[in-house]
Amino acid sequence: DADVTQTPRNRITKTGKRIMLECSQTKGHDRMYWYRQDPGLGLRLIYYSFDVKDINKGEISDGYSVSRQAQAKFSLSLESAIPNQTALYFCATSEKEAGPYEQYFGPGTRLTVT
Amino acid sequence: GQNIDQPTEMTATEGAIVQINCTYQTSGFNGLFWYQQHAGEAPTFLSYNVLDGLEEKGRFSSFLSRSKGYSYLLLKELQMKDSASYLCAVKDSNYQLIWGAGTKLIIKP
Repeated sequence: DADVTQTPRNRITKTGKRIMLECSQTKGHDRMYWYRQDPGLGLRLIYYSFDVKDINKGEISDGYSVSRQAQAKFSLSLESAIPNQTALYFCATSEKEAGPYEQYFGPGTRLTVT
Repeated sequence: GQNIDQPTEMTATEGAIVQINCTYQTSGFNGLFWYQQHAGEAPTFLSYNVLDGLEEKGRFSSFLSRSKGYSYLLLKELQMKDSASYLCAVKDSNYQLIWGAGTKLIIKP
């Protein structure tokens, strides 16, 4: 079984709709992240969480919100989707911040907003 | 601002060697990572450098020069399965990863 899972894998929604992307992990990591990836751009950080009570905005948090329901679950919501939120969204986890601790990525959610 | 630069695309021949360069300007430095990403898939970790020099891991090696803000990923004995995008990322002073846009590597037989 995959260590980091995301649901749904693909989603098409209309402008103005509220949607939620979910992420679960079995790696036991405290740190979880949400990124979006657009063609020609690097991964951009939306939100990150160091534990259930610690949630932080990333580079591009406007239009998004998150919920850390448990150590293993981190959800991303688009309150009112707009077309420029069409992108590939990745959830990631890591064990620690400092040192050679890589981030482990989920398979991604391809979101299209029409 | 913070910036990571990589070539957009490179082409190489199966069995050959290719070097993918990455230059960075970040607020602080706490390590540099290389990831591989096949089309439509998740990035996967390849290497980590925090001290100057070369780190070798099988067919892949990664080099870092902190004074020059420069790294490269060296891939030897290229295989068709190495066709992918290669992402360079730097941890800044806040331990946030700053990502380059990636280099798409095309391997030709």
